[in-house]
Amino acid sequence: SQQGEEDPQALSIQEGENATMNCSYKTSINNLQWYRQNSGRGLVHLILIRSNEREKHSGRLRVTLDTSKKSSSLLITASRAADTASYFCATDAGANSKLTFGKGITLSVRP
Amino acid sequence: EADIYQTPRYLVIGTGKKITLECSQTMGHDKMYWYQQDPGMELHLIHYSYGVNSTEKGDLSSESTVSRIRTEHFPLTLESARPSHTSQYLCASSEYIGQETQYFGPGTRLLVL
Repeated sequence: SQQGEEDPQALSIQEGENATMNCSYKTSINNLQWYRQNSGRGLVHLILIRSNEREKHSGRLRVTLDTSKKSSSLLITASRAADTASYFCATDAGANSKLTFGKGITLSVRP
Repeated sequence: EADIYQTPRYLVIGTGKKITLECSQTMGHDKMYWYQQDPGMELHLIHYSYGVNSTEKGDLSSESTVSRIRTEHFPLTLESARPSHTSQYLCASSEYIGQETQYFGPGTRLLVL
């Protein structure tokens, strides 16, 4: 069954605005990761947050994790047209390091 | 950019043909994965490998098979392609212990007529 579920399914913003994407999951996890996928391409890893961490930053990215609510959010600040892509959360719930991906969020950043 | 390669990038083939999708990585990673992804949908794990001579079925049942004879190479084979196999196939790799990040290839878009 699907582990990660992103919200919203699609998001359209103006360049320079912030984009917030949410992910909820069902079972306990070791870590949660966010990936970006440009149209027709493979996924690129953005950031990983472990279950004992609450917040992490990487450049214009900020991710939070609330294990009590089984949810995570990804914030992209000062968005650019080049941020237009699909964003997936993925959870690692076991010792064999298999990831379970959500359906993804389509982000469109208008110039 | 990750050193993981997939060929072909696009493949259009007729029903009943045998096809092999190639995946190679030059990072020396032990773990490799195959995912199937329909447009606008989530990724489904169909096969993975812990290392040479190790192959496991993923969460989504697939008629494809894989082999892992060399660390760097993880090909996927469909013995008899059908229109239901039309999809994008993504290969990924990760280090085995203590490195959960996965590195993805560019994908193969398969269309079976």
